Amino acid sequence: AQTVTQSQPEMSVQEAETVTLSCTYDTSESDYYLFWYKQPPSRQMILVIRQEAYKQQNATENRFSVNFQKAAKSFSLKISDSQLGDAAMYFCAYLGGGTSYGKLTFGQGTILTVHP
Amino acid sequence: KAGVTQTPRYLIKTRGQQVTLSCSPISGHRSVSWYQQTPGQGLQFLFEYFSETQRNKGNFPGRFSGRQFSNSRSEMNVSTLELGDSALYLCASSSQEWGQTSYEQYFGPGTRLTVT
Repeated sequence: AQTVTQSQPEMSVQEAETVTLSCTYDTSESDYYLFWYKQPPSRQMILVIRQEAYKQQNATENRFSVNFQKAAKSFSLKISDSQLGDAAMYFCAYLGGGTSYGKLTFGQGTILTVHP
Repeated sequence: KAGVTQTPRYLIKTRGQQVTLSCSPISGHRSVSWYQQTPGQGLQFLFEYFSETQRNKGNFPGRFSGRQFSNSRSEMNVSTLELGDSALYLCASSSQEWGQTSYEQYFGPGTRLTVT
């Protein structure tokens, strides 16, 4: 079974600074997708960024970028120019190929605090 | 497009009762996945439906069931409620259409179920 591990229960960053959230996963599959979701206090899960395993290029979405290391099974999220609105719980999630229809496997989450 | 909607947003039920939660996916999305979120267990996958068929199921007892209608709206039912069923129940929709690679899931606001 696939597992996702986020080793940082909490992280903090100063506004306008950069922070990196860590995620590792375990899988025997070669075809899969990885995601970062953000869950603010409203509890609404918001997709931040996605990465296809077959793509070597790291995904980027505005201030958010990932460092995808397939061999190391590592998928970290970098937030640049942090803003107060970035404060939330961040979840790393794995979606397998094949018959893993619709099943996201989530990490435990990292609470990000942004200090003004 | 309108986002994923879930009704009701809040529910209070008594042990032994049953409950039905509803989820309307983004227009055009045919895949609906359900998740349970609790402080202790985190986010856990319940099941996934596509074109009225359950394609995948998580490790939950048979008291948890679901269905999907021809318009892709989905319901989940929990019978004989237990205190441990208190949780935030999230549904997510995805296009999953042939030829598309957009497997990302978009989440609804959730239904907060409290069992007393």
